[in-house]
Amino acid sequence: NAGVMQNPRHLVRRRGQEARLRCSPMKGHSHVYWYRQLPEEGLKFMVYLQKENIIDESGMPKERFSAEFPKEGPSILRIQQVVRGDSAAYFCASSTGDYTVGYTFGSGTRLTVV
Amino acid sequence: GQQLNQSPQSMFIQEGEDVSMNCTSSSIFNTWLWYKQDPGEGPVLLIALYKAGELTSNGRLTAQFGITRKDSFLNISASIPSDVGIYFCAGSVTSGTYKYIFGTGTRLKVLA
Repeated sequence: NAGVMQNPRHLVRRRGQEARLRCSPMKGHSHVYWYRQLPEEGLKFMVYLQKENIIDESGMPKERFSAEFPKEGPSILRIQQVVRGDSAAYFCASSTGDYTVGYTFGSGTRLTVV
Repeated sequence: GQQLNQSPQSMFIQEGEDVSMNCTSSSIFNTWLWYKQDPGEGPVLLIALYKAGELTSNGRLTAQFGITRKDSFLNISASIPSDVGIYFCAGSVTSGTYKYIFGTGTRLKVLA
């Protein structure tokens, strides 16, 4: 019974490179949420996806950030031309769509931009 | 925008002591969640609260949904070293929503 799987756990990118973060939801979950956690801060909502659909991307920066959840395969959070301020922990959560029970989070990807 | 303030920001306690922390909001919330985050890991849901005044326990943890619906409290009784971590509250204005606002966390350190 694997939980939410995120990889890589740690990612180092130079400024200007692209970062790709992957999230495989729990078995049976078709809803995926991405949150970002800056150092010493709480988690901030970025985007909510169902298979092949972006439901709410109100928390995504307008430029350089994109997310997808294809019919097959993991959800991908993509950050183009990374800058130092993108350094953070990125968490993915999944659910069945029953929002009242909260989320199951993955262990996160810690992105460091050098 | 909506903010959640957690207090205290950090605390050191002796093993065996009880711990209290709280979370306050500028808005009325309909759902409160409490999470714990271990170093290098994702948050794990501890307790969920859905009604004003509700008191819910999970082992040594007890959480309450404040009657004003603008605050919530988490108590840990007889703390042990593995209680160390960051405790986050999260809330939503709308029932049955997917979008939660997280507090900035209370960092707990337990001295053996």
